[in-house]
Amino acid sequence: EIVMTQSPATLSVSPGERATLSCRASQSVSSNLAWYQQKPGQAPRLLIYGASTRATGIPARFSGSGSGSEFTLTISSLQSEDFAVYFCQQYNHWPPLTFGGGTKVEIK
Amino acid sequence: EVQLVESGGGLVKPGGSLRLSCTASGFTFSTYGMNWVRQAPGKGLEWVSSITSTTSYIFYADSVKGRFTTSRDNAKNSLYLQMNSLRAEDTAVYYCARHCPPGWASCPFDSWGQGTLVTVSS
Repeated sequence: EIVMTQSPATLSVSPGERATLSCRASQSVSSNLAWYQQKPGQAPRLLIYGASTRATGIPARFSGSGSGSEFTLTISSLQSEDFAVYFCQQYNHWPPLTFGGGTKVEIK
Repeated sequence: EVQLVESGGGLVKPGGSLRLSCTASGFTFSTYGMNWVRQAPGKGLEWVSSITSTTSYIFYADSVKGRFTTSRDNAKNSLYLQMNSLRAEDTAVYYCARHCPPGWASCPFDSWGQGTLVTVSS
């Protein structure tokens, strides 16, 4: 099983600032890495797939990078609606499909 | 518009059973793989099960193997999760999520339902 580790667990950021979230895989997952955003009481929403491709309707301020076992999600200028929990997921080696533990982006 | 609507959640005693349903619309359900994902209160996401479009392959997380059964009825655009021998640690919101379209072996979950809460407690 591939273990996904996200850091930090919580990120405090002021509106308008940049946020950088990390995700590490216990072994290479190539570029088969997705990022999801989840707001309280809502289902997760796909943001990024293929490590760097934005899903339909996702604003350009969200960008993904990395390959192999190290990945980054960057939110270039945080808007109020971006404060949420973000999960990474690998879909390269499955089953099982595995998620990271999540990073909560909160208002500083 | 893709829509996934789960139902069937509720309160059940340890050792009991429950059947969840997920009704799909807005896409050709019969051509997509589907998944169940759960989220315990205040916790992260845990993949539960995947089923291919024609039910050729069904996979389960070790934590539910032998207790949960995933099935689908493509004529009814529906996905099911039969949960038996339920435990307190199965308490979670259960989501159905769309998986790979035809020709894809690996892909993310591009659409999710709103989830249904399962509570296992005496």
